[in-house]
This record gives sequence, structure tokens and C-alpha cells, in this order.
Amino acid sequence: GQQVMQIPQYQHVQEGEDFTTYCNSSTTLSNIQWYKQRPGGHPVFLIQLVKSGEVKKQKRLTFQFGEAKKNSSLHITATQTTDVGTYFCAESNTGKLIFGQGTTLQVKP
Amino acid sequence: NAGVTQTPKFRILKIGQSMTLQCTQDMNHNYMYWYRQDPGMGLKLIYYSVGAGITDKGEVPNGYNVSRSTTEDFPLRLELAAPSQTSVYFCASSAQETQYFGPGTRLLVL
Repeated sequence: GQQVMQIPQYQHVQEGEDFTTYCNSSTTLSNIQWYKQRPGGHPVFLIQLVKSGEVKKQKRLTFQFGEAKKNSSLHITATQTTDVGTYFCAESNTGKLIFGQGTTLQVKP
Repeated sequence: NAGVTQTPKFRILKIGQSMTLQCTQDMNHNYMYWYRQDPGMGLKLIYYSVGAGITDKGEVPNGYNVSRSTTEDFPLRLELAAPSQTSVYFCASSAQETQYFGPGTRLLVL
């Protein structure tokens, strides 16, 4: 079945360092969504990418969709303690979301 | 708008007991979903619904049942609770692509 693989599973960074999480699929993705889940919280939608090679920015967050639409990345520049949480990618397909395993980010102040 | 609400927030069940997890949304969304999230893991789709009266199985439906009699409500039923069902359960709704999640129900089966 469909699978979206996400790496790394965990990442510890010093505040101010950059962070990147990667999402990969063996099949072409129709689109990719990114969600953030704070510790003890629920997933919150961040962004959706649809077009091949698409790049979108939200302040310090940069989202990319690969040219072949088989991978995506989320890059955070100069992390802050408020960035702590788990970041999930998910493919939307016929109204359902298939989630990656998530990358948990810890930021040391 | 309250968005997506879930009750209860936390519940402890004994093996073999049954319970219903409630989910309500006030955004008039057609699509609703139930996920479970085990510690350190991603979300697994249990059941989903594309509209009132219509439900369908997700990745991990065994041990669960759902109904969708109204647009607003999408309860999840556990008939015979098992320790493997210890998890955090999230309900979500969507109009199109973006899903809005409720705060979750933490369930412990002992």
C-alpha cells in the first residue's frame, strides 16, 4: 500500500541551528501536507504542496516538493524553543491522509 | 466556532469493557476521521466518513465501529476493549484537503 517514509525520527538541535526533515515515497504523490504536533497536543495543519518543484515559505519555515513529486522537505532556519514538537508529512488521497511517522524536534536553549 | 470537540479527554477501561468516544464538529464539514496515535508513532486511520450515512474502513479498523447519523457527529465505539487499544485517539474533520483535529482522547486499557 501507500507509504510515506519520514526521516530522521528524532533530531536534537541547539537553539539557533537549522533543522530539516525529509519525506519520501516510492510512488508519485498527488500532493503533500505538513502538520505540526506540539508535545501533548494535536496535529495542526501547516501547509499543502501540490505542484512539482513547489517551494513555499512561512517565516522561518521553508517547504519544498520534489520535481518528481516523490519527496518533500521542511526546513526551519534558526530554530527557537517554540519550534519543539513533531512534524508530520502526509499525502492526501481521495479524502484520506496517509501520514509519515513524524520527526520529533527537540531544541536546547 | 468550537471546531472539533472530543469527549472524554481521558478514560481508563478494563479489558472487555465497551465505550464510545464522542466527536463533534461545528464547521459543517462533510469529511470526518478517526485516528489512533501510539507513543512515538504517527497517526493511523481507523475509520472515516465522507458524509452523513456513509462510513468506510481505514488502515486499522479491527475492534472498532463507527456511525455517522448527522453531519456534526462521528462517534467511535469500542465493543470489547483490549490492552492493544491503549492509545491516543484523534478525531478530525475536513471540507476539502485540510484536516482539523480535535484535542484527543487518551485511553488506557488495563
